[in-house]
Amino acid sequence: EAQVTQNPRYLITVTGKKLTVTCSQNMNHEYMSWYRQDPGLGLRQIYYSMNVEVTDKGDVPEGYKVSRKEKRNFPLILESPSPNQTSLYFCASSLTFLDSSYEQYFGPGTRLTVT
Amino acid sequence: RKEVEQDPGPFNVPEGATVAFNCTYSNSASQSFFWYRQDCRKEPKLLMSVYSSGNEDGRFTAQLNRASQYISLLIRDSKLSDSATYLCVVNLLSGGYNKLIFGAGTRLAVHP
Repeated sequence: EAQVTQNPRYLITVTGKKLTVTCSQNMNHEYMSWYRQDPGLGLRQIYYSMNVEVTDKGDVPEGYKVSRKEKRNFPLILESPSPNQTSLYFCASSLTFLDSSYEQYFGPGTRLTVT
Repeated sequence: RKEVEQDPGPFNVPEGATVAFNCTYSNSASQSFFWYRQDCRKEPKLLMSVYSSGNEDGRFTAQLNRASQYISLLIRDSKLSDSATYLCVVNLLSGGYNKLIFGAGTRLAVHP
């Protein structure tokens, strides 16, 4: 089944404790992206990757890191989480970043709470 | 001003009703347009693309007015299963790649 998976789905952590949210897709998509969703703000892009070893900042990259060592995986790293990073996070992928007609497929989401 | 603006709702309608959602976008360079559906605490899923000539998919009709920078979604004969949040999404070519800009969503609740 074609899908985007994320782990963990739910996480409660404390300020400053490093964490990684994994994202994996099995559709051989070039383009992957991380978003956060907060009430009243819609989805905002954190980082994106156009292909292996090619990543760039989105609109809200502060406090986050990413890597793209393999095509299928795009982990999101919070080196020192803070309470303002409490949010619902979605990973997404699409076939290519060059054609706007390609649908973005989203993972099931990770609900993160930082206390 | 937000790049994509939607009425947050909620729109509470009875089954069988017709309901319309509107969306405006600020960047005239926007290239393509979509409606995504998001169920409570779930991931967004593509509902339909929006074409300049308007397009229909079953009970759903999408319209685009580039001059007014306005997009609409019409749902006819509402079903209970249509209850969800509808996200207006605009694609912008930025820095050589296609970037999706999401509205905050309009919530629809269909009741018996």
